[in-house]
Amino acid sequence: DAMVIQNPRYQVTQFGKPVTLSCSQTLNHNVMYWYQQKSSQAPKLLFHYYDKDFNNEADTPDNFQSRRPNTSFCFLDIRSPGLGDAAMYLCATSRAIADTQYFGPGTRLTVL
Amino acid sequence: AQTVTQSQPEMSVQEAETVTLSCTYDTSESDYYLFWYKQPPSRQMILVIRQEAYKQQNATENRFSVNFQKAAKSFSLKISDSQLGDAAMYFCASNTGNQFYFGTGTSLTVIP
Repeated sequence: DAMVIQNPRYQVTQFGKPVTLSCSQTLNHNVMYWYQQKSSQAPKLLFHYYDKDFNNEADTPDNFQSRRPNTSFCFLDIRSPGLGDAAMYLCATSRAIADTQYFGPGTRLTVL
Repeated sequence: AQTVTQSQPEMSVQEAETVTLSCTYDTSESDYYLFWYKQPPSRQMILVIRQEAYKQQNATENRFSVNFQKAAKSFSLKISDSQLGDAAMYFCASNTGNQFYFGTGTSLTVIP
């Protein structure tokens, strides 16, 4: 089945230690998104790619970076995780910008 | 700026009954899309229903329908014949192209 896959599902890192979260899709969608969702809160968009065009939300901290080496894969890099970065990170894809988004299962990040 | 407001943090409904979840939004755009997403506990977010703002007809998907009041900027979700599997967090979301906003969610409990 076509889907959005996130690895790992659970990630534990230490304060200040760089971490990379992975997302892949078999939907061949043009747009890929990264959201941060803290407990009992709405998902907050960090950035998105339309093909290779990167769009950063104005309030996304510089600590968060992203790479999209090809259509299928997109990575979220957290350069120096702080305790406040502990959250669920959701990857989503859509065919076009205003189209329905398809979400992965998320990666739960714990920062010790 | 666009905002999405869900004024009901929690709702409950008896199995087989009908429940309506409220959502209001604020935008200066003329062209936009509205969504309801469902996030079951520990499971991934999935689309429930989508509405294009230029369409006057309310979207319907089986037991799910919306009441889209464009002038009032209101977009409520009606769930008919509620089932136990409908229990989840429901997020209202808006999309104007390059801007994506989620509401804070409504937690729906279905009582057997």
